[in-house]
Amino acid sequence: DTAVSQTPKYLVTQMGNDKSIKCEQNLGHDTMYWYKQDSKKFLKIMFSYNNKELIINETVPNRFSPKSPDKAHLNLHINSLELGDSAVYFCASSHQRTNLKYFGPGTRLLVL
Amino acid sequence: EDKVVQSPLSLVVHEGDTVTLNCSYEVTNFRSLLWYKQEKKAPTFLFMLTSSGIEKKSGRLSSILDKKELFSILNITATQTGDSAVYLCAIMDSKLTFGKGITLSVRP
Repeated sequence: DTAVSQTPKYLVTQMGNDKSIKCEQNLGHDTMYWYKQDSKKFLKIMFSYNNKELIINETVPNRFSPKSPDKAHLNLHINSLELGDSAVYFCASSHQRTNLKYFGPGTRLLVL
Repeated sequence: EDKVVQSPLSLVVHEGDTVTLNCSYEVTNFRSLLWYKQEKKAPTFLFMLTSSGIEKKSGRLSSILDKKELFSILNITATQTGDSAVYLCAIMDSKLTFGKGITLSVRP
């Protein structure tokens, strides 16, 4: 009965590889997000989708591409991974009306 | 330029102490201010504050928002080791903007 789930939980990969992180929510929310949390615990928004449409796209390298096949899913694909991409990535969802966000468990990405 | 500033950055207390965590912000037009607790995994929601001067309480935790002076505080009384976590404050307008968090360590 997990509300917001992400896979995988841990991802260790080499520089230059392409990887994807998946996110699913079963809360019936219409908006989903991706956040990056750096080593100093600073959470920064990357993308926001509302009803499968991109509404926020912060200054993020275009190696990062979100994909929303439906309202319940928002996947994050990263091309040509770099060392600086190492972080914890959190998916979140909310109703646009309330904007109260529920977070997934996070995906810890380590690029070697 | 940080829109949401939390202080102190880290804090070490003993069980039973009372702590006050601060969150100052620059945004004047926003819907709500939120507090989250983050332990090893994802942030978990604590409070959403929309109106100034109205205290919200949940057990030993309480929080209040001052829209005139542009800050919020999160109070934890009779701290326990399980309160050790990073406490995040965030401003909600068209998106959620987080502060850098306050690392609280509660020693037995």
